[in-house]
Amino acid sequence: GAGVSQSPSNKVTEKGKDVELRCDPISGHTALYWYRQRLGQGLEFLIYFQGNSAPDKSGLPSDRFSAERTGESVSTLTIQRTQQEDSAVYLCASSLRGGAGTNYGYTFGSGTRLTVV
Amino acid sequence: AQTVTQSQPEMSVQEAETVTLSCTYDTSENNYYLFWYKQPPSRQMILVIRQEAYKQQNATENRFSVNFQKAAKSFSLKISDSQLGDTAMYFCAFKTYSGGGADGLTFGKGTHLIIQP
Repeated sequence: GAGVSQSPSNKVTEKGKDVELRCDPISGHTALYWYRQRLGQGLEFLIYFQGNSAPDKSGLPSDRFSAERTGESVSTLTIQRTQQEDSAVYLCASSLRGGAGTNYGYTFGSGTRLTVV
Repeated sequence: AQTVTQSQPEMSVQEAETVTLSCTYDTSENNYYLFWYKQPPSRQMILVIRQEAYKQQNATENRFSVNFQKAAKSFSLKISDSQLGDTAMYFCAFKTYSGGGADGLTFGKGTHLIIQP
C-alpha cells in the first residue's frame, strides 16, 4: 500500500482480555518497528523486525507482550491479560531496510489507541 | 546507550513568528543520523527534516531548518513564519550508524508546540 496501515484505529477492551493489533507496512519494506506512546509521553521502543532475522524483542515490557511478522508483510502485536497500564497509542513504522549503516527513513502509521477499562 | 533530551515540554508562539525547539543528545559514535518528526492530533509521525552527522551543512526544508552543532551534540529545529498547521508535538530522534538495540533509533520525549492565531 501507499502508507503504513494500522488497525483497529481505536480499541477499548476490558482488563484481563487479550488484544491483537495489526500493522500492514509499505510493500517492500523489510524493517518494521513497534512503539508504545503513553499519554503525553515520547515513543517507547517495543520490537524490531528486519527481514527474516530474529526480531529484536529487547523493548517488550513483559511476557504478556508478543509480536509476530509473516515474512516481510503484516505484523501483529498481541497483549495478553491486558492491564490498565497498557492503555496507550501503539505506533508501527516501516523502513526499506534497517541495520547498521542504513538510513532509509521511517514511515509511521496512525497508530492504534488502546484503552483498557 | 544513546539518550535524546528535549528540555522544552511545551512552547507557544504567535502565528508568523520564528520558533526554535531544542534537542541535545549523548553518544560516543562519530557517525549517526538525526531527525525531527512532527506528530499532529492525527497521531501519525511525519518526518520534518533529517541530518547526517558527517555533513557540516545544516539541513533545510522550506520553513524548517536545523542548527547542528556536532561538538556540542545539539540539534535544534527552527521554524520560520510559523503557521497554525505547525501546531503539533515535535520529536527529536537519533539513529546510530552501528545499529544495535532498537536498530539504534532513540526518540526524545517531545515538545508540544502551539501556534496562536
